Amino acid sequence: DVKVTQSSRYLVKRTGEKVFLECVQDMDHENMFWYRQDPGLGLRLIYFSYDVKMKEKGDIPEGYSVSREKKERFSLILESASTNQTSMYLCASSLISNEKLFFGSGTQLSVL
Amino acid sequence: SQQGEEDPQALSIQEGENATMNCSYKTSINNLQWYRQNSGRGLVHLILIRSNEREKHSGRLRVTLDTSKKSSSLLITASRAADTASYFCATAREGGTSYGKLTFGQGTILTVHP
Repeated sequence: DVKVTQSSRYLVKRTGEKVFLECVQDMDHENMFWYRQDPGLGLRLIYFSYDVKMKEKGDIPEGYSVSREKKERFSLILESASTNQTSMYLCASSLISNEKLFFGSGTQLSVL
Repeated sequence: SQQGEEDPQALSIQEGENATMNCSYKTSINNLQWYRQNSGRGLVHLILIRSNEREKHSGRLRVTLDTSKKSSSLLITASRAADTASYFCATAREGGTSYGKLTFGQGTILTVHP
């Protein structure tokens, strides 16, 4: 069974902390994505990667960075967490960049 | 406003009834997809329809696409309580700087009562 695994289901951090959200996929997909989901705003793309060490900004990259050192792993980094980054973070992967995304279960991040 | 916008925002029906959700978008697309999300979980891909297709079926799901009206509909027939979830449309815009980007709507919350 195909799988996208996000390291934490719930995470509580303090303002100013550096936060790492990890995502691993076992499908050998080239493409990986990070979205955030907020009530009333739907899903918004933060960053995506189409190959190892390659990244592209999504619609809301400010305050975030990403790392893709290995094909199966895509990390989202909040350099200095702020309260407006409290959200549900969803990782996804796909074989073809804009088709049939497989999502992880999400990480609910609270920044206090 | 967003590329994909679902209508209605919420839908409440009885088990056995059909559920229809609509999605409108603004720019030319390569494909349109529907996803389902159970409460607090990740999204699951349901069906993809390409810009040159008009209708597609998968089990109890039927999707239509009208590119002239820039709209799509998702029909779930003979609904079950287990269909209770949020449903999102996502559009893949044609080429250029939109490469790799799917734009999601805000979703329709479907509640199916037993």
